[in-house]
Amino acid sequence: NAGVTQTPKFQVLKTGQSMTLQCAQDMNHNSMYWYRQDPGMGLRLIYYSASEGTTDKGEVPNGYNVSRLNKREFSLRLESAAPSQTSVYFCASHSLAGIQETQYFGPGTRLLVL
Amino acid sequence: AQSVAQPEDQVNVAEGNPLTVKCTYSVSGNPYLFWYVQYPNRGLQFLLKYITGDNLVKGSYGFEAEFNKSQTSFHLKKPSALVSDSALYFCAVSPPFPGYSSASKIIFGSGTRLSIRP
Repeated sequence: NAGVTQTPKFQVLKTGQSMTLQCAQDMNHNSMYWYRQDPGMGLRLIYYSASEGTTDKGEVPNGYNVSRLNKREFSLRLESAAPSQTSVYFCASHSLAGIQETQYFGPGTRLLVL
Repeated sequence: AQSVAQPEDQVNVAEGNPLTVKCTYSVSGNPYLFWYVQYPNRGLQFLLKYITGDNLVKGSYGFEAEFNKSQTSFHLKKPSALVSDSALYFCAVSPPFPGYSSASKIIFGSGTRLSIRP
């Protein structure tokens, strides 16, 4: 049981390049999330997927697209990277258990856009 | 609008002393409250949560947090700090929905770096 996995761990892009961040979970969770973490700003939600086949915008969706490929996988795509997208990206998942909510996070992807 | 504040960027404590990491929130109704910890180059790990019931919540690694509705606070505490507690701590808040809470509504604080000196 690996939990939430993310690839790659680290990536350097030039402005205008595209890339896809991969996320997978093996906990049979319905909901998955993409956050970015910037110094002094906590985590901000980019996109989320409440269930397979659905995606919704979070707080900071501009410049990103997502795909919920199946129940396990949720990818984040940067079509044309910008320096402002330099950040650490975290994928998370959770399963509803009554009214309890606990999110499980991946190890993160560090992205540097030059 | 809901929000959560962690007023201290950094907290320094000597090993063996009690520690407190502060968190205040602003949300209508009775919120769901969480603490997460992040070790270097790792994702966030769940520590504890308050949903309802006893105001003192016990969590992982000997941490506990006290929900204070009148002060809208949810401070994280530990009676005796360890060097291994050094990490980044995040408070998070979510407004409740009847019988259901969506993690998409969770708002994270900016984080407090806890440094425990030997």
